[in-house]
Order: sequence, then structure tokens, then C-alpha cells
Amino acid sequence: DADVTQTPRNRITKTGKRIMLECSQTKGHDRMYWYRQDPGLGLRLIYYSFDVKDINKGEISDGYSVSRQAQAKFSLSLESAIPNQTALYFCATSAGGGISYEQYFGPGTRLTVT
Amino acid sequence: AQKVTQAQTEISVVEKEDVTLDCVYETRDTTYYLFWYKQPPSGELVFLIRRNSFDEQNEISGRYSWNFQKSTSSFNFTITASQVVDSAVYFCALLTGRRALTFGSGTRLQVQP
Repeated sequence: DADVTQTPRNRITKTGKRIMLECSQTKGHDRMYWYRQDPGLGLRLIYYSFDVKDINKGEISDGYSVSRQAQAKFSLSLESAIPNQTALYFCATSAGGGISYEQYFGPGTRLTVT
Repeated sequence: AQKVTQAQTEISVVEKEDVTLDCVYETRDTTYYLFWYKQPPSGELVFLIRRNSFDEQNEISGRYSWNFQKSTSSFNFTITASQVVDSAVYFCALLTGRRALTFGSGTRLQVQP
């Protein structure tokens, strides 16, 4: 089984709908992240969480919210989806205690907003 | 502020050619880590290497090698004798302080048979 899982893997939704992307990990890591990938722009950070009570905005948090339900779960919500939120979304985890740790990525969720 | 620049948007080579992917970074931190990730057509992100700011030794792993030069703020990646399976998008990334990764925009490598 994969260490970092994302559901759904693909989603098509309409403008204005609320949608939640879920991420779960079995690595026992404290830190979790949400990124979005757009063609030609690389990955950009939406939100990150260093533990259940520590949630921080990334560079493109507008239009998104998150919930860290438990150490192993980190959900990303689009309260009212808009077409320019069409992208590939990645969840990642890393161990805490230092800055050096590798981030492990989930398989990605491809979201299309029509 | 942190920034990673991958100026090469797309590179196309013929199999068995050597290819170098460039990465230039900016940070004011003295302690930082640099990463390379591979994203094959299937879409997942595959970790390739991590290098800390205090270790400028070059690293070789099979056909892959990395050249870290603090003097030019560069962390370049070379694939020797490229193969079709090397076709992917490659991302360079920077990690500093209590933050998350800052990614470059990626370089798409196409290796033609």
C-alpha cells in the first residue's frame, strides 16, 4: 500500500461547487503539505502543517482552506471552485525535527473545474 | 525570499547523448537543502537527491550526477548516456528554515530513440 494516498484521483466539478481533496499518510510524519501544479509553473505551496495545531498559509492560499483532522490526515477544500483552480494537486509529508527531511509525495489529484 | 530558476523549459536529445539540466537558486539563508525530483509521464513525483548547503561534493549515482557550486548558486544535474526512460519533467527545489519546498518551474526532457 502507498504511504501517502490522495482521494479522489480525478475529479470534474462545476464552478461554484464545494469540493474537498483528502490526503492520508501511514509514514507517521508530523508535517504535511498541499501543492498545486500548473503547466510551466512547477509546484506551488498552498498550505502546510507542522503538526495538528500548526497550520500555515503558503504562497497561493486564497480560495482554499485546510483541515488537519489527525496526524495522518490533511484535507484541502475549495469552498467555491472556479475554473482557474483547475490543476494537479499534490499532498506531501515529511518528518519533523529539522529542515532536511525529504518530502514524500502522494500520487496527485487531477481537478477540473468547468 | 527563496527562488529557484530552471531556465531550460524543454530539452530534446537523442538516446545515448549526455544532457545537463540547470538549476540556479536564491536564498539568504546559510543553511539550506537542495533537491531534484523526477516527474515521469505517469505524473508521480520521484525523489532523486538531497544536498545540504555545507556539502559541495559532487555526487554520482549510476548515470546521474550532480554538481553543486555555492559560488554560482547552482545545482546542476547531468544524465550520462541518456535513455528513453529518462524522458520526464525534472524539478529542482530548495528548502530553507521552517518552510516548505520552493520549486523551480521544471525542465521537460525528451529522449528520442
